[in-house]
This record gives sequence, C-alpha cells and structure tokens, in this order.
Amino acid sequence: AQSVTQLGSHVSVSEGALVLLRCNYSSSVPPYLFWYVQYPNQGLQLLLKYTSAATLVKGINGFEAEFKKSETSFHLTKPSAHMSDAAEYFCAVSEFSGGYNKLIFGAGTRLAVHP
Amino acid sequence: EAQVTQNPRYLITVTGKKLTVTCSQNMNHEYMSWYRQDPGLGLRQIYYSMNVEVTDKGDVPEGYKVSRKEKRNFPLILESPSPNQTSLYFCASSSPGQGATDTQYFGPGTRLTVL
Repeated sequence: AQSVTQLGSHVSVSEGALVLLRCNYSSSVPPYLFWYVQYPNQGLQLLLKYTSAATLVKGINGFEAEFKKSETSFHLTKPSAHMSDAAEYFCAVSEFSGGYNKLIFGAGTRLAVHP
Repeated sequence: EAQVTQNPRYLITVTGKKLTVTCSQNMNHEYMSWYRQDPGLGLRQIYYSMNVEVTDKGDVPEGYKVSRKEKRNFPLILESPSPNQTSLYFCASSSPGQGATDTQYFGPGTRLTVL
C-alpha cells in the first residue's frame, strides 16, 4: 500500500524567508504526487502535481516541488514567503485501482508566516 | 463558475439523529467521493462513486451511506451519528481521462459536531 509522510505538523517562517515543506512517499510503483493547499475555512485547492513529465514541478502562487526518486521525496518550496501563504498543506500520492484514482493524503503541515 | 458545493457548512446534532450532507458539482464529472479530515490524520476517503448508481467503500466507510441517483449529486448519509463522527467532511469530484494524474476538485467542507 502506498503512503505519505509529512515531516513537521507545524512550520513557522518569517515573511520573505524560504518555505520548505517536507513530503516523503512510499510506493511500489512509479508514484503520481500532489500538493494541495487549504486556506482557512475553505476546501482544498491543487497547488501542483507530478506526472513524471519533469522532476521539477512549478505550481501556482510561486510554489514548486522536486521529485527525487532516490530519496522518495517530493518537498514543496517557495523562495520568499508571503503572509497570504499561511494555510495547511497536504501532500498526496495517487493510487489508481479499478479505474479510479484514489488519493492517499499525508497528515498535513500547517504553515504560519509572521512579519 | 465551476465548483463543488456542500450543504450545510456547519452542523451540530445529537447522537442517533439521522442527517444528510449534500454535495453537488456543476462540472459534469463522473467521479465523486467523500473524505473526512481529522487532526493528525489528514484526509481519509469514506466512499466514492465512479458513475450514477455505482458506489464503493473507501477506507473508513463504517457508519456512513451514500447514493448516486444523479450525476451531479452525491449525498452523504449518517443514519445514526455518533460522537466519533465529529469531523470535517469534504466532497470531491473529478473526470476520468488521465488516470492516476486526474485532479480532484474539492468542496468547501462541512464541519459536523455530534453531541
């Protein structure tokens, strides 16, 4: 079975600092990986996804993630944090079975950005 | 506007009182699913549906029912709610086409409290 581990349930950064949110996956087949963001009182919104086309994936709002097979990682980064980035971030791996794409989520990382 | 809607957004109820959370999407998606989100556990799939009249259990189906009589609607039914079903619930929809890289679109969430 596939699984996702997000290191750090809470991350706090200063505005303008680098954002690094960690995600490691476990999969017996080539994985398809996603990052979703959840702003307060809202649903999940797709930030980016890895589909094997390129190891460095660029998403919305200046975020990007790099797929590293040797490290089984898919960490999310942003060079300069903005106050509006404060949210909860979920890493997920896709499990395609019986014609249906099921998402397996990590526990989430809450990002706080302070002035 | 393409969206997934859920009602109600907030609900407080008592043990044993049947309730229904509605979900509707206007994107003509075939696939729909329900997740619950609990602190430290991320999102876990409750049920999913690949088309009208086709539903199947996810990872945590106990205590829930679903139906899919129309393509756009996928209600979640709790016949006899219990306090351990207090959670944040999300409905999601997607369209098959890319297989494991299909993007799921999430509703705004329903926060349920069972006393």
